[in-house]
Amino acid sequence: LAKTTQPISMDSYEGQEVNITCSHNNIATNDYITWYQQFPSQGPRFIIQGYKTKVTNEVASLFIPADRKSSTLSLPRVSLSDTAVYYCLVVLTGYSSASKIIFGSGTRLSIRP
Amino acid sequence: DAGVTQSPTHLIKTRGQHVTLRCSPISGHKSVSWYQQVLGQGPQFIFQYYEKEERGRGNFPDRFSARQFPNYSSELNVNALLLGDSALYLCASSQPGLLGRNTIYFGEGSWLTVV
Repeated sequence: LAKTTQPISMDSYEGQEVNITCSHNNIATNDYITWYQQFPSQGPRFIIQGYKTKVTNEVASLFIPADRKSSTLSLPRVSLSDTAVYYCLVVLTGYSSASKIIFGSGTRLSIRP
Repeated sequence: DAGVTQSPTHLIKTRGQHVTLRCSPISGHKSVSWYQQVLGQGPQFIFQYYEKEERGRGNFPDRFSARQFPNYSSELNVNALLLGDSALYLCASSQPGLLGRNTIYFGEGSWLTVV
């Protein structure tokens, strides 16, 4: 059974670029990787989704190498409001015709002034 | 447009009781999934429903059940509540199609406390 792994915590400073990596072995050919941000007592909020290479939107970039065994979320010029827990999400298909959704353990990002 | 809505937002139950949590997906979304998030941990997948049929199930006991209605809203039911069922229960919806190819949007959750 595939497992995702993320660093437990990271610290950075305002204005810096932050990169958070998620390892996901045994990811299947058609599975997508999605990253979410979660503040205390709130539901996870979508950040970015990708399949391979690089995806960029107005808030982040997502880098996925050719083997797709990992992905890196890049947050440019972070601010104090980026302090949150970040999760990578891999949806695994092909398990007895059902889907199994696995969250990573989450990375607690703390931004300092 | 309204996002995923869940009710109630908070509730307290006694051990052994039963609870029903409700979820309305984003308009146009036909797939609903449920997650349990214990304090300090990541969300754990419970169920996925698509077109009123169960399409995925996580490692939860039979005390947990769910259903999806013709309007695509959903209910999560938990019987014989245990203290360990205290958690934030999240509902998420996605657009039609294989879950892996669509974005999952989450509601704000229902906080369940079992005493």
